[in-house]
Amino acid sequence: DTEVTQTPKHLVMGMTNKKSLKCEQHMGHRAMYWYKQKAKKPPELMFVYSYEKLSINESVPSRFSPECPNSSLLNLHLHALQPEDSALYLCASSQEIYRGTNQPQHFGDGTRLSIL
Amino acid sequence: GESVGLHLPTLSVQEGDNSIINCAYSNSASDYFIWYKQESGKGPQFIIDIRSNMDKRQGQRVTVLLNKTVKHLSLQIAATQPGDSAVYFCAENILGGAQKLVFGQGTRLTINP
Repeated sequence: DTEVTQTPKHLVMGMTNKKSLKCEQHMGHRAMYWYKQKAKKPPELMFVYSYEKLSINESVPSRFSPECPNSSLLNLHLHALQPEDSALYLCASSQEIYRGTNQPQHFGDGTRLSIL
Repeated sequence: GESVGLHLPTLSVQEGDNSIINCAYSNSASDYFIWYKQESGKGPQFIIDIRSNMDKRQGQRVTVLLNKTVKHLSLQIAATQPGDSAVYFCAENILGGAQKLVFGQGTRLTINP
């Protein structure tokens, strides 16, 4: 079982809906990440949070809005998505992101999102 | 069995044989590398990592080799089992610290009985 928990596992939404993806970890990690994975492709980084502050935004469209309310939780708010946004959205966490402290990222099982 | 080159997406091996999955990484400044296993319907699962100051690291039934001269990474799985069937991704950290991972295209490993 993964130590990073994502909810919901599946989500179907229309292009005018607003929904949120949630991610939780209790490993004491201080860095959290959102990735997007299309079918038969590798995960692609979207956002990185370090100590609850946004550290990296990989030029993600504003219809995706991340939020880190505390060190254990990471949300991804969705609004006015397009059909091409249908994908598996993965959350990951790691101990921290400072240089010299390379640690692996641990992934949840993702939310499979379908946009109608 | 062995995968060759970055663009070979599949590798089939007999159960009990050894597998070698190869990966060419892109950034000569990358300092940290990870192999992940992804089963259908699951997220990537950490297998083994290696830092750039090493050229070999061993785990349980797995070995990672790093050749910085040619920017090449490989994952060796000994005595493959049916549960090893999955897609395997290499990932390089291009910014230092576990901050920005860039994933390879992946190799699907199929174990034949």
